[in-house]
Amino acid sequence: DIQMTQSPSSLSASVGDRVTITCRASQTITTYLNWYRQKPGNAPELLIYAASSLQSGVPSRFSGSGSGTDFTLTISSLQPEDFATYFCQQSYTTPYNFGQGTNLEIK
Amino acid sequence: QVQLQQSGPGLVKPSQTLSLSCTVSGGSMSSGSHDWSWIRQPAGKGLEWIGRVFTSGGTKYNPSLQSRVSMSVDTSKNQFYLRLSSVTAADTAVYYCARDGLEFWSGLDVWGKGTAVTVSS
Repeated sequence: DIQMTQSPSSLSASVGDRVTITCRASQTITTYLNWYRQKPGNAPELLIYAASSLQSGVPSRFSGSGSGTDFTLTISSLQPEDFATYFCQQSYTTPYNFGQGTNLEIK
Repeated sequence: QVQLQQSGPGLVKPSQTLSLSCTVSGGSMSSGSHDWSWIRQPAGKGLEWIGRVFTSGGTKYNPSLQSRVSMSVDTSKNQFYLRLSSVTAADTAVYYCARDGLEFWSGLDVWGKGTAVTVSS
């Protein structure tokens, strides 16, 4: 199985800040990497697929990059609704494992 | 706009079988354009991919659950299903159904609201 490791596990930031979350795969997954945001009590929602493609309807402050084993999610200017937990997921080979999550908190 | 409505019991006894269904509205499963997945999340923890069912009926399961899990579809009802046998307390979690994007690398683009399942006698 491919293991996905996110860093940091938690992060404190303020509205308007630029933040970056990292996801590392235990072996190459080319660009088959997705990012999700999960607000408390809600289901996850897809933000980025194929490493850098913005899902329809997702604000342009979200961007993704990377290939191979190292990937990043960047939020250019945090909004109040962005304080949530973020997960990466590989879709290169089954099982399509998720990272352990990054909890983004208000500073 | 496609929506997923989940149903099933919130309480299952140990050693019994957990059964959940997911109804697709706002679109037809018969088009065969999408596959359908199940994911679970224990309270306060991360997400675990359980498996995927294709509109054709084919399946792919997480090896960690393969001996106990079964998924199926009924396109005439626009529904797909999850069965997990011989449950224990470790299977207590919120279970989500989700739609796979148009390509296998497109991510899970529509999610149900989740069903909280507790395994307890």
